[in-house]
Amino acid sequence: SQQGEEDPQALSIQEGENATMNCSYKTSINNLQWYRQNSGRGLVHLILIRSNEREKHSGRLRVTLDTSKKSSSLLITASRAADTASYFCATDSGGYQKVTFGTGTKLQVIP
Amino acid sequence: KAGVTQTPRYLIKTRGQQVTLSCSPISGHRSVSWYQQTPGQGLQFLFEYFSETQRNKGNFPGRFSGRQFSNSRSEMNVSTLELGDSALYLCASSLRASGSTDTQYFGPGTRLTVL
Repeated sequence: SQQGEEDPQALSIQEGENATMNCSYKTSINNLQWYRQNSGRGLVHLILIRSNEREKHSGRLRVTLDTSKKSSSLLITASRAADTASYFCATDSGGYQKVTFGTGTKLQVIP
Repeated sequence: KAGVTQTPRYLIKTRGQQVTLSCSPISGHRSVSWYQQTPGQGLQFLFEYFSETQRNKGNFPGRFSGRQFSNSRSEMNVSTLELGDSALYLCASSLRASGSTDTQYFGPGTRLTVL
């Protein structure tokens, strides 16, 4: 079953614009991670935010976490065509490794 | 440092057959997790191994099994293949000490097609 639901399911923007995608989850978590997947390939880890953190930056990425609302957002600034991919949030509820992935947002950046 | 490798990358089997997929984690990583990705169900957790022990298992039938060797390499096996087993199978490794928070590094996946 999916822990996370991502919104929107698909997003199409022009190069240079910002892209925002959201993730909502159901149970309490230890951390939340965002991954990128290029078409049909392995996942690339982007950023991890712990439950006691509210915001984190990495290059053009900004992630926020609101544990009271059980939601997170990923902002990609100044998007590039190479950012075209599917983006997944993954929640870790602690204990042994059982990371649960969201449904994903498919991002298309038009050059 | 070499990344996670998975073999084979592509596989075509027929219903009723069995298949074994292999995953070599990043050197020094002791945890290996397996996921199944399909268009309909998304990414589903199969199981995790740490130091040759299965620590967690997802909601999959017993036809799906795995193991981990002393060098942390892992295999997963699917017996009596069904059409619905067609998927991208992803392996991820991490340092993952017990109860710790850790980043998973994914391999490129094995694309299994069942005819």
